Amino acid sequence: DIQMTQSPSSLSASVGDRVTITCRASQGISNYLAWYQQKPGKAPKLLIYGAYTLQSGVPPRFSGSGSGTDFTLTISSLQPEDLATYYCQNYRSAPWTFGQGTKVESK
Amino acid sequence: EVQLVESGGGLVQPGGSLRLACAASGFTFSNYAMSWVRQAPGKGLEWVSGISSSGDTTYYADAVKGRFVISRDNSENTFTLYLQMNSLRAEDTAVYYCAKLRGSDRGAFDIWGQGTMVTVSS
Repeated sequence: DIQMTQSPSSLSASVGDRVTITCRASQGISNYLAWYQQKPGKAPKLLIYGAYTLQSGVPPRFSGSGSGTDFTLTISSLQPEDLATYYCQNYRSAPWTFGQGTKVESK
Repeated sequence: EVQLVESGGGLVQPGGSLRLACAASGFTFSNYAMSWVRQAPGKGLEWVSGISSSGDTTYYADAVKGRFVISRDNSENTFTLYLQMNSLRAEDTAVYYCAKLRGSDRGAFDIWGQGTMVTVSS
């Protein structure tokens, strides 16, 4: 099975900061990588699929990059509504595993 | 409006069974693969099971293989995803989400339900 490892597990940032979260797959998954945002008590929301394609309606301050085993989610200028937990996911092959999550908190 | 609505959660004793349902509307249900994802209290997301658009192919996490069965009804006016959960354990306690995939066999999860809570306890 493919393991997904995110770093960091949590981070503190200020409004306007550039935030970067990384995700590493235990084996190559091409670009079959998705990023989700989850706020407390809510269902996850798809942000990016195909490693870098922005889901409709997602603000352009979010971007994704990478291929193979190493991926990055970047928030170019953190907004208050971006405080949440972010998950990466492999969907190249089942089991469609998630990373352990990165919690973005206010500094 | 594209929507997924889960039901069937509740309190069940260890060793018991429960059947979750996920009613889909607002999209051509039979064209897309579907999946179940769970989240234990205070924990991260855990993929549970998936099913292809036709229902011919199913996938399971090791943690539930042999105990859970995923199925779907693609009948017109009955667009529903199911998860039959047997031999439930305390570690199955979680919010269970159903999700629509972007493709017929795999893909990112673009639509999610609101979740239904399953508590396994005596």
